[in-house]
Amino acid sequence: DAGVTQSPTHLIKTRGQQVTLRCSPKSGHDTVSWYQQALGQGPQFIFQYYEEEERQRGNFPDRFSGHQFPNYSSELNVNALLLGDSALYLCASSWGTGVAEKLFFGSGTQLSVL
Amino acid sequence: ILNVEQSPQSLHVQEGDSTNFTCSFPSSNFYALHWYRWETAKSPEALFVMTLNGDEKKKGRISATLNTKEGYSYLYIKGSQPEDSATYLCAPIYGGATNKLIFGTGTLLAVQP
Repeated sequence: DAGVTQSPTHLIKTRGQQVTLRCSPKSGHDTVSWYQQALGQGPQFIFQYYEEEERQRGNFPDRFSGHQFPNYSSELNVNALLLGDSALYLCASSWGTGVAEKLFFGSGTQLSVL
Repeated sequence: ILNVEQSPQSLHVQEGDSTNFTCSFPSSNFYALHWYRWETAKSPEALFVMTLNGDEKKKGRISATLNTKEGYSYLYIKGSQPEDSATYLCAPIYGGATNKLIFGTGTLLAVQP
C-alpha cells in the first residue's frame, strides 16, 4: 500500500520564477492538505482540497494556488517566487475532513529560492 | 493568530529515562488535538487524536492526556529508547469544519544510549 508520495524531493528556483509541486495521496484517501515548514517553525497550513475544491485556506497570498484532480492527486503552484518561500512543503492526505481523521504525510519537497 | 506553545523546545535524556512534554493552546472553539512524531529524514507520523476533556491515549510506552478547559496536553514517554529520538509536534483543531491543523514548533527529543 503506497503512502503519500511527493515530487520532486528537492527543487532550486530563482526569484520571480514559478514552481509546481505534486502529491499523490495514500490509497483510499480523498482529501489533500498542504503545509509549509520554514526553518525553526512548525508546519503552517496552506490549503486543503476535497472533492476537487479548495475547502479551507490558511494565511497565504494568492501567489499560492492549488488543484485537485479526479484521482485525488494534487498540485501546489507558487508564482513570483520570493526568497522567503524557501521551505519544506509537506503534503498530507486523509479520508475526509473530519477533525478526528489522522493526516498521513509525505516526505516533502525542499524548495530553495535563490 | 492562534498561539500553540510546546515546551521544552528540546530535551536530552539517557536511555531508560521517562520524560514528558507540554502543549498549550487556546481553549476557545477547540475541537480536537493531534500529536505527531517526526523522525529525521522521515515523514511526520500520527500518534494520537484526542477530542474530549480528560481523554487519555496510550500507544506502547507513549501516552497522552488532554485538558480542554485549560488548554493543555501532556505527552509522556516511559523508559525512553534511542528510537524515540524525534521531534514531537502537537496540533489543535478549531472550528470543527475540517481537520486543519495548527502546529506548535515542536519538542526535539534526543535519547542517548
